[in-house]
Amino acid sequence: SQTIHQWPATLVQPVGSPLSLECTVEGTSNPNLYWYRQAAGRGLQLLFYSVGIGQISSEVPQNLSASRPQDRQFILSSKKLLLSDSGFYLCAWSPGTGSTEAFFGQGTRLTVV
Amino acid sequence: GQQVMQIPQYQHVQEGEDFTTYCNSSTTLSNIQWYKQRPGGHPVFLIQLVKSGEVKKQKRLTFQFGEAKKNSSLHITATQTTDVGTYFCAGDIQGAQKLVFGQGTRLTINP
Repeated sequence: SQTIHQWPATLVQPVGSPLSLECTVEGTSNPNLYWYRQAAGRGLQLLFYSVGIGQISSEVPQNLSASRPQDRQFILSSKKLLLSDSGFYLCAWSPGTGSTEAFFGQGTRLTVV
Repeated sequence: GQQVMQIPQYQHVQEGEDFTTYCNSSTTLSNIQWYKQRPGGHPVFLIQLVKSGEVKKQKRLTFQFGEAKKNSSLHITATQTTDVGTYFCAGDIQGAQKLVFGQGTRLTINP
């Protein structure tokens, strides 16, 4: 069966520090991968999605970037965090091939101080 | 860009009362999906509706997809405390390879 791993679960980082969040999927190949951000009590904002290795689509201009170095690995990065980058970051995958049903990781709660 | 609007933003009910959340898209959707996020948790897929006018039931939950494939609703009959959470609709726009999520409806229940 397919599983998605996302870490760390919580993170407190100072303003100006770098960020790297990693997400891996097991049990499937060539999935679509997604990074979402959820502000406290708010909806899901799609940040990046990828339909294949090295293919990244950015939804919102911002202080973040994403990379997909391997088929089932998706990384969210920042060179210098801002206070406004605080939030709940969720990685998700979908089977692709026309299916968009999304399976979410446990999420990373990021607080920038 | 494509938008999916969801109302209400919050709903507080007494246990045993019914609950409904509504979703409206600015564009025709290939399908619509519903997710539930428990407090402190991550969204979990509930169901997908594909056909115009489709109605699906999961125990006390009834999901509907509008005839024009632009709106949807989730109705919970006789809420229980286990229903607490935020319910999201998500629209699949054909060919986009991504979902557009509504803002969610946060349901709280007075036992």
